[in-house]
Amino acid sequence: AQRVTQPEKLLSVFKGAPVELKCNYSYSGSPELFWYVQYSRQRLQLLLRHISRESIKGFTADLNKGETSFHLKKPFAQEEDSAMYYCALKSLRRGSTLGRLYFGRGTQLTVWP
Amino acid sequence: EPEVTQTPSHQVTQMGQEVILRCVPISNHLYFYWYRQILGQKVEFLVSFYNNEISEKSEIFDDQFSVERPDGSNFTLKIRSTKLEDSAMYFCASSEPGRVSNEQFFGPGTRLTVL
Repeated sequence: AQRVTQPEKLLSVFKGAPVELKCNYSYSGSPELFWYVQYSRQRLQLLLRHISRESIKGFTADLNKGETSFHLKKPFAQEEDSAMYYCALKSLRRGSTLGRLYFGRGTQLTVWP
Repeated sequence: EPEVTQTPSHQVTQMGQEVILRCVPISNHLYFYWYRQILGQKVEFLVSFYNNEISEKSEIFDDQFSVERPDGSNFTLKIRSTKLEDSAMYFCASSEPGRVSNEQFFGPGTRLTVL
């Protein structure tokens, strides 16, 4: 069964410190993973996806199939990074391109000045 | 930048009443979704919709729920007879057709409170 686990509900760091938000998944097929971010009073928005292998706002995430993980990292956290972060797994039915997202419960990141 | 919009932002209703939540997806998108988030819980998939029919639905999406694209711009979620446990934030999302890795763009959500 598909599942996304974010073990930390809350994470606090000081500005300039490294941050890692953990995400583990279970999926029988070839996974497609995303990180979504929700800033205070704003909508869910895509931060990055594993297939792009990109860095957005200094964040990176590497898919580790052996450990079934997709942790989000940033070497130097900024106050504006404070937000709720959701890890999501896309599941595709055979023959469909729509897909459905399975979300983790989210990690609230607070970056202190 | 185009965005998904949802109305109303907050809906309060009595148990047993019907509610319709409205969404306007991004104009060139053809795939539509509804998700919900009960307070303190995960965001959960309800249904996906394409070409005027349901593509996939979750176990949550029972006979009390229905979706419709009544015209060229709106996408609605109807709950026929609301229950207390339907209280949640409901998110609409849309994505472009044709690409497997298409990003789902989310609306701001409608907070439904069932009394």
